[in-house]
Amino acid sequence: NAGVMQNPRHLVRRRGQEARLRCSPMKGHSHVYWYRQLPEEGLKFMVYLQKENIIDESGMPKERFSAEFPKEGPSILRIQQVVRGDSAAYFCASSLGPGTYEQYFGPGTRLTVT
Amino acid sequence: QQQVKQSPQSLIVQKGGISIINCAYENTAFDYFPWYQQFPGKGPALLIAIRPDVSEKKEGRFTISFNKSAKQFSLHIMDSQPGDSATYFCAASRETSGSRLTFGEGTQLTVNP
Repeated sequence: NAGVMQNPRHLVRRRGQEARLRCSPMKGHSHVYWYRQLPEEGLKFMVYLQKENIIDESGMPKERFSAEFPKEGPSILRIQQVVRGDSAAYFCASSLGPGTYEQYFGPGTRLTVT
Repeated sequence: QQQVKQSPQSLIVQKGGISIINCAYENTAFDYFPWYQQFPGKGPALLIAIRPDVSEKKEGRFTISFNKSAKQFSLHIMDSQPGDSATYFCAASRETSGSRLTFGEGTQLTVNP
């Protein structure tokens, strides 16, 4: 599968727990974006990363949220001490990098906080 | 200044008809305008995109019309089919911001058989 992969596809967490979402970009892509889609709303940018570097985190909530894209392995979006308002679909997209515009999305992780 | 406004919120079209979805933007620095198609429970799929140096781009039954002076662009789906029923998002980005996408609110298209 050469597409963007995300796991898990569905994640249920109780309030106060941690959620860890993973994203493997398309083969050859070195740039990753995370977007959040709240129910019945559009997608909102959260963070833009390349390997070992956060390029733009202007869309990330200031507390409880963090992201990384290590040299080896998938990109991780981490949400600490989840609250009900964190329930949403989280999408990862990847691109080739600077000079390219096309972003290709994964299937998303649907987080439900109970 | 970073907003992208999309209309209508929902659209019902008969099979074989033309579906038209409109978007307007404010930031003149945007230089890339894609449309995404999203089916329930799936991720957005890149449908077609345009740069501001052209006024129209066509791929199969899908056409983007772009009006730089009005800061508007639209998606036309010709000969609409029930399989086109999905949510469509317009978006905009600029290379100097790392190409992060600013999305419209989405249009839920229903094509009746």
